[in-house]
Amino acid sequence: DAGITQSPRHKVTETGTPVTLRCHQTENHRYMYWYRQDPGHGLRLIHYSYGVKDTDKGEVSDGYSVSRSKTEDFLLTLESATSSQTSVYFCAISEGSVGTEAFFGQGTRLTVV
Amino acid sequence: DQQVKQNSPSLSVQEGRISILNCDYTNSMFDYFLWYKKYPAEGPTFLISISSIKDKNEDGRFTVFLNKSAKHLSLHIVPSQPGDSAVYFCAASGHTDKLIFGTGTRLQVFP
Repeated sequence: DAGITQSPRHKVTETGTPVTLRCHQTENHRYMYWYRQDPGHGLRLIHYSYGVKDTDKGEVSDGYSVSRSKTEDFLLTLESATSSQTSVYFCAISEGSVGTEAFFGQGTRLTVV
Repeated sequence: DQQVKQNSPSLSVQEGRISILNCDYTNSMFDYFLWYKKYPAEGPTFLISISSIKDKNEDGRFTVFLNKSAKHLSLHIVPSQPGDSAVYFCAASGHTDKLIFGTGTRLQVFP
């Protein structure tokens, strides 16, 4: 299994509070991605990174920010959580972009009440 | 605007028969396609992929077909097994670094 760890695995938070999810990899892969999975929507890309300090928006980036200060860590922050951000969040890593498979973490279930 | 679509949310197939999962895409710049399988409470795992320069790729019981003119790909599983019951996602990438997924199809293989 690819060395990718998400933390926390479960979190319940209140509306309006900031939340940070962490993705940690031991594979030294260049690319890291954050997705959210919701019924009827599949997996939607939030943000991704193609190197340290290099990030870009995905399909559903509003309300989210990311940071990558080290190759191994990719942080996803919800500045002010809303109930619509209740979801399962997955981090993924890959060596390249086009033409290479991505490996996924186990997911973080976030509930905003 | 969904660039990768899986129009069948679910599929039920008898064990031993063929399962065919379909995927359509709209972005002609996509040139690499992947299929992932996902079990409950786990992250998706890579299954098989195909480059746009090919129209077929086979790996054991799994075959992916690509029809570029129709912007359509399909995953065939033969023979289907109960352990294949999962959610299947197709994904596409192209000139950008983004890996875009479809909405998923839940496959159930019954005895």
